[in-house]
Amino acid sequence: QVQLVESGGGVVQPGGSLRLSCAASGFTFTTYGMNWVRQAPGKGLEWVAFVKYDGTTKYYADSVKGRFAISRDNSKNTAYLQMNSLRAEDTSLYYCAGSTSRKFDYWGQGVLVTVSS
Amino acid sequence: DIVMTQTPLSSPVTLGQPASISCRSSQSLVHSDGNTYLSWLQQRPGQPPRLLIYQISNRFSGVPDRFSGSGAGTDFTLKISRVEAEDVGVYYCMQSTQLPLTFGGGTKVEIK
Repeated sequence: QVQLVESGGGVVQPGGSLRLSCAASGFTFTTYGMNWVRQAPGKGLEWVAFVKYDGTTKYYADSVKGRFAISRDNSKNTAYLQMNSLRAEDTSLYYCAGSTSRKFDYWGQGVLVTVSS
Repeated sequence: DIVMTQTPLSSPVTLGQPASISCRSSQSLVHSDGNTYLSWLQQRPGQPPRLLIYQISNRFSGVPDRFSGSGAGTDFTLKISRVEAEDVGVYYCMQSTQLPLTFGGGTKVEIK
């Protein structure tokens, strides 16, 4: 069955860095775009970043542009989100989601990132 | 950015009765390719979001046919024909026509 498993979350101080991973299985990873979507505690959904199936194209929300970097390794069926210069407002549950034809077919369970001193 | 506005914020429904959620976008969601990239997602308590409907009215694999979507341009609706206990949760509309991708604020469906 389809699985997206996020890892790498935790507590980090403001200004710090974290790298999230999203390991995919059960579908043809190399044909799906990959996204990161976050959800602050008790809040709604915010799209963060997208990487095309072949890694050639990347897009970011303005709120993270210049601080976060999305990437993927198709040989490992894994997507990543490198998060630098973290701020308190980045505290959220981060979901990875696989997309095709502009729809978000598959979602992981999420990984919690807390930015606090 | 395209702003997605959902109403109502909360919808108490009796089991077996219908429910309806509206979503309005601040500009047309018709893409230059002619498609309208409006999706509906369900988030049950403590769970990740799940795709229900894409391109206004197409049910995703495994989604019960009591869920239906309609609309055009800037106005869209999700309907549940007969609410079941497992339908409790928050429903989000989402546009993927234009970057940045944006979501509605969510509508909580709960049982009366």
